[in-house]
Amino acid sequence: DAKTTQPNSMESNEEEPVHLPCNHSTISGTDYIHWYRQLPSQGPEYVIHGLTSNVNNRMASLAIAEDRKSSTLILHRATLRDAAVYYCILRRGSNYKLTFGKGTLLTVNP
Amino acid sequence: ETGVTQSPTHLIKTRGQQVTLRCSSQSGHNTVSWYQQALGQGPQFIFQYYREEENGRGNFPPRFSGLQFPNYSSELNVNALELDDSALYLCASRQRGGPTDTQYFGPGTRLTVL
Repeated sequence: DAKTTQPNSMESNEEEPVHLPCNHSTISGTDYIHWYRQLPSQGPEYVIHGLTSNVNNRMASLAIAEDRKSSTLILHRATLRDAAVYYCILRRGSNYKLTFGKGTLLTVNP
Repeated sequence: ETGVTQSPTHLIKTRGQQVTLRCSSQSGHNTVSWYQQALGQGPQFIFQYYREEENGRGNFPPRFSGLQFPNYSSELNVNALELDDSALYLCASRQRGGPTDTQYFGPGTRLTVL
């Protein structure tokens, strides 16, 4: 599985945008970029995924670099409920398993 | 629509014992995966079940086994428990061949082995 690199932790203020980076320099053409987050005492929760183009949904936006070697998860206005560990995962084609790293612990300050 | 549920929420066992964890998949989902999450780590894939058969396995020994039932619910069995088996066990379901292939996770079962 191709590897992803994320900062261990990041901090943000409430109602400000948050940009969570992920490097995946060994990504292959069939790898989808997935983001999940895990709130305290809960299972991981799907956030967003993409292949080549930027993606938007009600939770977040995903910006994918042109060479696909990096991506950024954007939370447009952080709330206290967004405090969680965010995982950037590469999923190859129809492969079913998700290979999690340690993720980025996001702290949101009031 | 009911989400993924797991039981029990917490469990304490002693080394050498056996344990069974249960998972009910989200309505309409036919595939169940199990993950182990040690403290401070990301979840690690154990195996997946589809059509009542194991359909892929991670780097876990044979004492980790599972079942899937006709209603798509699933069990994870762990024999000869070791101290390192203490972890949060997560179940995830998805609709194989569905439009998004997104996995939906349950809240997990916290297993403590003494």
